[in-house]
Amino acid sequence: EDQVTQSPEALRLQEGESSSLNCSYTVSGLRGLFWYRQDPGKGPEFLFTLYSAGEEKEKERLKATLTKKESFLHITAPKPEDSATYLCAVQADGQNFVFGPGTRLSVLP
Amino acid sequence: NAGVTQTPKFQVLKTGQSMTLQCAQDMNHNSMYWYRQDPGMGLRLIYYSASEGTTDKGEVPNGYNVSRLNKREFSLRLESAAPSQTSVYFCASSVSGTSGSYTQYFGPGTRLTVL
Repeated sequence: EDQVTQSPEALRLQEGESSSLNCSYTVSGLRGLFWYRQDPGKGPEFLFTLYSAGEEKEKERLKATLTKKESFLHITAPKPEDSATYLCAVQADGQNFVFGPGTRLSVLP
Repeated sequence: NAGVTQTPKFQVLKTGQSMTLQCAQDMNHNSMYWYRQDPGMGLRLIYYSASEGTTDKGEVPNGYNVSRLNKREFSLRLESAAPSQTSVYFCASSVSGTSGSYTQYFGPGTRLTVL
């Protein structure tokens, strides 16, 4: 069964304190691994797609990496506006998507 | 571009009532999806439509029906609402990418409460 777990469930950082979020997955035939940001009361906002182990993508203070069993979202020198819930999802065969429960990030000024 | 739009934003129903959630996209995407999001759980796929005229069940289809009205619009119907269907519903559309992957773009959501 395809599965996605995320850790930690919640993370509180001081502004400028770098850290990483983890997404562990089991899936047969990975087509893509996706990271989304979700603000309270809003829909998920697309951040990255990763396709194969070893791939990395960056956007501003965020960098996503992928191994055969995990993905990490590294946040460098975060700012309060980076506070949000970060969702990880995998696509197996066809258009079957499995989402993790998310990591709730709070960045304090 | 408005992207993906959903109506209504909020809805309260009584058990047994019916309603239709509307979704439209203006990005010319072929695929569209309906998800529900519950506290502590990931987004769960209810139904999806890979192209106009086709629909397929996702992980949690029971109690729901869908209609792909045209390429732009995909509606979700609750025939007889139950309290277990209290949730936030998201519509998404997708564009195909590398290696058969599909990047999804989400609407703002509909918050539904069933009393």
